[in-house]
Amino acid sequence: QITLKESGPTLVKPTQTLTLTCTFSGFSLTTFGVGVGWIRQPPGKALEWVAITYWDGDQRYNWSLQSRLTITKDTSKNQVVLTMTNMDPVDTATYYCARGKWASFDYWGQGTLVTVSS
Amino acid sequence: EIVLTQSPDTLSLSPGEGATLSCRASQSISSSWLAWYQQKPGQAPRLLIYAASSRATGIPDRFSGSGSGTDFTLTISRLEPEDFAVYFCQQYGDSPPVFTFGPGTKVDI
Repeated sequence: QITLKESGPTLVKPTQTLTLTCTFSGFSLTTFGVGVGWIRQPPGKALEWVAITYWDGDQRYNWSLQSRLTITKDTSKNQVVLTMTNMDPVDTATYYCARGKWASFDYWGQGTLVTVSS
Repeated sequence: EIVLTQSPDTLSLSPGEGATLSCRASQSISSSWLAWYQQKPGQAPRLLIYAASSRATGIPDRFSGSGSGTDFTLTISRLEPEDFAVYFCQQYGDSPPVFTFGPGTKVDI
């Protein structure tokens, strides 16, 4: 059974750095073709891909956010960590982690709502 | 950058009816790189279709996908009460690698 779960703060202040952890089970991030990505969704709006890290260590970022993002993986702990600097109220969203299988995301976490407010 | 548009914004139907949802890309994309998701209120998205026409694990056969180039379609043959949700299409591009989602189509009663 494949599961993913996001953890991190629910409230951050403007200009602070957000750190989110995705803890997964049921698959390995060393398997060919597999990645773990982050996707966010502002309240009532569409999905936006944020970043992804792959089995081979490759990391890719949404070009509009990449100067603020770092994604890392710890295969021994089955975790992927996303950091986003200089948070702004427009970054308020539910952040999902999901398993990437080639060109789509086949398993998703439940999501975590992050609010940016002073 | 490829932009996805979905139509209609909202589709009002009754259980038992069929639904046809459209996803159009601003430029041609590989069919291998087009997916559809279903999202219900308060839930994470669920993968329905990948590679334009392949159903994901556990997805009923009333869901089908088709299309190529710039025009893709998700068809729900007979709506069940649990099918009323928002549907997103998503494409993958490799130069540079990027995942792009459409704005969604809401299917409601």
